[in-house]
Amino acid sequence: GQNIDQPTEMTATEGAIVQINCTYQTSGFNGLFWYQQHAGEAPTFLSYNVLDGLEEKGRFSSFLSRSKGYSYLLLKELQMKDSASYLCAALQGGKLIFGQGTELSVKP
Amino acid sequence: GAVVSQHPSRVICKSGTSVKIECRSLDFQATTMFWYRQFPKQSLMLMATSNEGSKATYEQGVEKDKFLINHASLTLSTLTVTSAHPEDSSFYICSARDFSGGSSYEQYFGPGTRLTVT
Repeated sequence: GQNIDQPTEMTATEGAIVQINCTYQTSGFNGLFWYQQHAGEAPTFLSYNVLDGLEEKGRFSSFLSRSKGYSYLLLKELQMKDSASYLCAALQGGKLIFGQGTELSVKP
Repeated sequence: GAVVSQHPSRVICKSGTSVKIECRSLDFQATTMFWYRQFPKQSLMLMATSNEGSKATYEQGVEKDKFLINHASLTLSTLTVTSAHPEDSSFYICSARDFSGGSSYEQYFGPGTRLTVT
C-alpha cells in the first residue's frame, strides 16, 4: 500500500523560516520529490532526495530519512510569492504518488 | 529546459460530448507520459501511464473506456474524455519523463487543462 501525509495548511510570516513535513509509507521507494504549485497552474520541481540527508538549494532545502519514512521542506527568508501549495511525492516504480499538499500562506 | 505543453488550456463542453486534450513534449522525446487529475483543494491523482507505441496502463478505479489515451509519437500523448459528465469537471495535468540525460526520474509537467462539463 501507499500513504503520504502532510499538513493541510500552514501560515508563516514574511522573512521567517517554515518547515513542511511529509511522512510516507510506500513499497518500492525510489526517492522523494517536492513540488510547488500555485493555484490553477502546474506543479514546478523544487527538489529530489534519494539518499538520507539534507539537500540545500538557495532558500529551499529538503531532508530525507528513509529509515523513518520522513522528509521535510525548509523555506528560509520567506517571501509573499512563496504563498502556494507544496506537494510531497514519493517515487514508486517509476510513478509519482502525491500527498494531499500543504497550502502555505505567507503574511506580511 | 524541458518544456511540456497542453492544449487546450480551458474547455467547456456539454454533458454527453467527448473532449480531447493534447500533451506535447516540445524539446525532448518522451517515451513515457503521465496523466493526472486534480479536484479543487486536492492533490494530483495519477490516472494512467502512457507509453509510446503501446497501450496505456490505468490506475485502479480509472475507466479505460471513458478516458482514452493514445501515445502516437515520442512527443505527443492525447487524453479523450468520452461521454463527459459534470463529475468529470476537473483540472487535468500531463507530465513527461526525459530519459536523455540528467535524472531519469524527473517529470516535467504541462500547464494543465481546466475541463468544465455543463
